[in-house]
Amino acid sequence: GIQVEQSPPDLILQEGANSTLRCNFSDSVNNLQWFHQNPWGQLINLFYIPSGTKQNGRLSATTVATERYSLLYISSSQTTDSGVYFCGYTGRRALTFGSGTRLQVQP
Amino acid sequence: EAGVAQSPRYKIIEKRQSVAFWCNPISGHATLYWYQQILGQGPKLLIQFQNNGVVDDSQLPKDRFSAERLKGVDSTLKIQPAKLEDSAVYLCASSPIRTTNYGYTFGSGTRLTVV
Repeated sequence: GIQVEQSPPDLILQEGANSTLRCNFSDSVNNLQWFHQNPWGQLINLFYIPSGTKQNGRLSATTVATERYSLLYISSSQTTDSGVYFCGYTGRRALTFGSGTRLQVQP
Repeated sequence: EAGVAQSPRYKIIEKRQSVAFWCNPISGHATLYWYQQILGQGPKLLIQFQNNGVVDDSQLPKDRFSAERLKGVDSTLKIQPAKLEDSAVYLCASSPIRTTNYGYTFGSGTRLTVV
């Protein structure tokens, strides 16, 4: 199957800092998505981004499908951004997730 | 609209006991998924239903796990007998029938601890 590698695995930021999370795929994928899982376990979809760039407030995402990677940018981080960020894709199977980046934003 | 409802929120059982989880998807969502999330890992698909039919159960350990979705609405996932390695969060999700590539909504999950 397709290997999904997320980096970094862990990240600690001071409030107000910016960060970039990366998702690499071993092969072409369809329907790339980013999710945030808050400290209480709720998983929320952030972006559906098979290609190109999208922005939503302080968050933006870019997928370069031809080079098999996607980036999630978080600007001016807040403590509420803490949690785990997952990328995922759908193909022959339903949504398949990477292993995640655990983000801790300190006040 | 109401979200995906799951119960119970937490469950602690001894190994070799049985346990069942319940999920009620978003109204009108034809596709329902059960995921297993082991601590420190991403969620892994166990089974996908479309209406009351199974689309994909290739990753479901069928010797001990079973799931059903009678009447194409709510669903139950059962483990019998449980093993220590079944300790995980069990997430239910649903999506509209025509957008199974995205539009997933997840429930809050059931945290299972097997002792």
